[in-house]
Order: sequence, then structure tokens, then C-alpha cells
Amino acid sequence: KAGVTQTPRYLIKTRGQQVTLSCSPISGHRSVSWYQQTPGQGLQFLFEYFSETQRNKGNFPGRFSGRQFSNSRSEMNVSTLELGDSALYLCASSLGLAGGAHEQFFGPGTRLTVL
Amino acid sequence: GENVEQHPSTLSVQEGDSAVIKCTYSDSASNYFPWYKQELGKRPQLIIDIRSNVGEKKDQRIAVTLNKTAKHFSLHITETQPEDSAVYFCAASNSLGGTSYGKLTFGQGTILTVHP
Repeated sequence: KAGVTQTPRYLIKTRGQQVTLSCSPISGHRSVSWYQQTPGQGLQFLFEYFSETQRNKGNFPGRFSGRQFSNSRSEMNVSTLELGDSALYLCASSLGLAGGAHEQFFGPGTRLTVL
Repeated sequence: GENVEQHPSTLSVQEGDSAVIKCTYSDSASNYFPWYKQELGKRPQLIIDIRSNVGEKKDQRIAVTLNKTAKHFSLHITETQPEDSAVYFCAASNSLGGTSYGKLTFGQGTILTVHP
């Protein structure tokens, strides 16, 4: 099976702009979770989608949003970019079934730089 | 919410030695504990995981132990090799529901260096 893919791999934006990142999960996986990775804060959970519904959300401002499509692909959007949003954004996919296999497999990430 | 503490932050060993990384968690409802290895510039890779109904799990040179009472779990790597050098992250989650559903709470990471 093909792994989790993310596009684009690299992005450079300026403050105030907005950005959309895309994640395609492993075939058959219905859950997509998003994480922000920075040297100072480590890996922090943004949100999780399952069957087009947001099931869980981390402690990030409303500028961070996401959605999931019927084919399980997910996008996250960051509006009004700030310098502190510079990070590696990782998505992870899993089967997402309650009590079932819960392994999350990560994509390669999108490196976002805000100037 | 869940909080995961990981120690040590850096660990340096000689090739062939064992390495142990420890994590503690705060939410007694957490029941799934994966470990990830992240090499420089690469994605985190799941290397082993354990569920709360199991006390220990082994996969070749890697083992994980879980103490539910004390709320801590550890990663053990035996016969370390230079290619084991990476950042290792522990995490905790609740696969049954609640506030941790679909969410991994990560420790701060351990930089493991294995010297030839």
C-alpha cells in the first residue's frame, strides 16, 4: 500500500497570508490527524477527522482549521499567518475505529516558513 | 488533558550497549502507548506500541514495558547500532474515546546517539 502523502513539501509565505496543506491517507484509512512540530514545542496535536467529521481538536487558535473529504483526503488551512506558525506540519492516518487498530502512520510533512 | 513527560532528553551510548528511555503519563484513561523514531529530515516512524492490557512487548532488539499503576512506560533497545541514532518520541492516547480520541499526546523526545 502507498504511504501517507502530503503536498506541498515546502512552502514559504509572508505574514498575513493564508495557506492550505493537503494530506492523502493510506488507502482504507478513515482517520486523519494533524500535528505541528517545532523545536521548542515538539509535536502538538491540531485536530483529527474521521468520516468528514472533526472528532477532536487541540489547543490552537481559530486561524487553524481543517476539513476532510469523502475520499478521506484532508486539508488544513492557516489564515493570517504569523511568524510563529513556521513549523513542520505532519498528518497521520489510521483506521480510526473505536477500540480497534489505532496505529497512526505519518506523512513526510510540509515545511512551512513564514517570513 | 493528558500530559506526557519523557526522560532523558539526550542519551549517548556506545555501540552494543543498551538504551532505556522512560515516559510518564497523567491520564489513567490512556490505553495506547506508541513509540516513534524520527531520523533527521524524515517522518516519525512507528517502531513499537503497547496497549494497556499488556505489560511488555518485544520486537527483536526493541522492547516496551508498561506499568499502569505507576503510569509509566519505557523503551528498551539492546545491542544498539549507529543506525539507531535518532530522536525517539513516546506518546499516549485513548483508543476507546474521550478527550484523547484520535489524538496522540507526545513526550518531548530523546536524542539518542550511538557511537561506533
